[in-house]
Amino acid sequence: GENVEQHPSTLSVQEGDSAVIKCTYSDSASNYFPWYKQELGKGPQLIIDIRSNVGEKKDQRIAVTLNKTAKHFSLHITETQPEDSAVYFCAAGFGNEKLTFGTGTRLTIIP
Amino acid sequence: ETGVTQSPTHLIKTRGQQVTLRCSSQSGHNTVSWYQQALGQGPQFIFQYYREEENGRGNFPPRFSGLQFPNYSSELNVNALELDDSALYLCARSMGRWVSNEQYFGPGTRLTVT
Repeated sequence: GENVEQHPSTLSVQEGDSAVIKCTYSDSASNYFPWYKQELGKGPQLIIDIRSNVGEKKDQRIAVTLNKTAKHFSLHITETQPEDSAVYFCAAGFGNEKLTFGTGTRLTIIP
Repeated sequence: ETGVTQSPTHLIKTRGQQVTLRCSSQSGHNTVSWYQQALGQGPQFIFQYYREEENGRGNFPPRFSGLQFPNYSSELNVNALELDDSALYLCARSMGRWVSNEQYFGPGTRLTVT
């Protein structure tokens, strides 16, 4: 089955700086790669996703890049703000198979 | 807010007991997936229901079972509770079975087994 590894497990950045979180996956059939943000006491919320026919996708301060050959994808957050502090999860899947999640990255923005 | 509600918010059970968790949504999302999230880990897929039928199951034993009702609300039942079942249980609603259909998560039920 699919295996998703996520790094780092914790990340602290100064407010205004950029944050990068990286994930690798094992199943070459995977073609859908979402990123979720989970705040305390809440369920994960989709913030951006990318499909395998696209190398990069951007939505305001958030971007995701995908390298299918190397089987890795990354989340980039620019101009970080205190409200970006949360746990972020990557995931991978295809078709009607299950989504496999990474182990999460706790991002702390230092004011 | 996602419009997905789960009940109860928290509960404490004793090893060997049985528990039922519930998930509902104001929307017409016809697919519900259940996940187990242990402390400090990512969500792990338990199973999915599409139009009241199980549509895929993760690596969980048969004592984890579920139901989806005609109004698309859903239940997760766990029998013979074990200490390792202590976790946050999340349900996610979507329109369709495909992983690329956006999933809307509820806030979860925190289960503690003592």
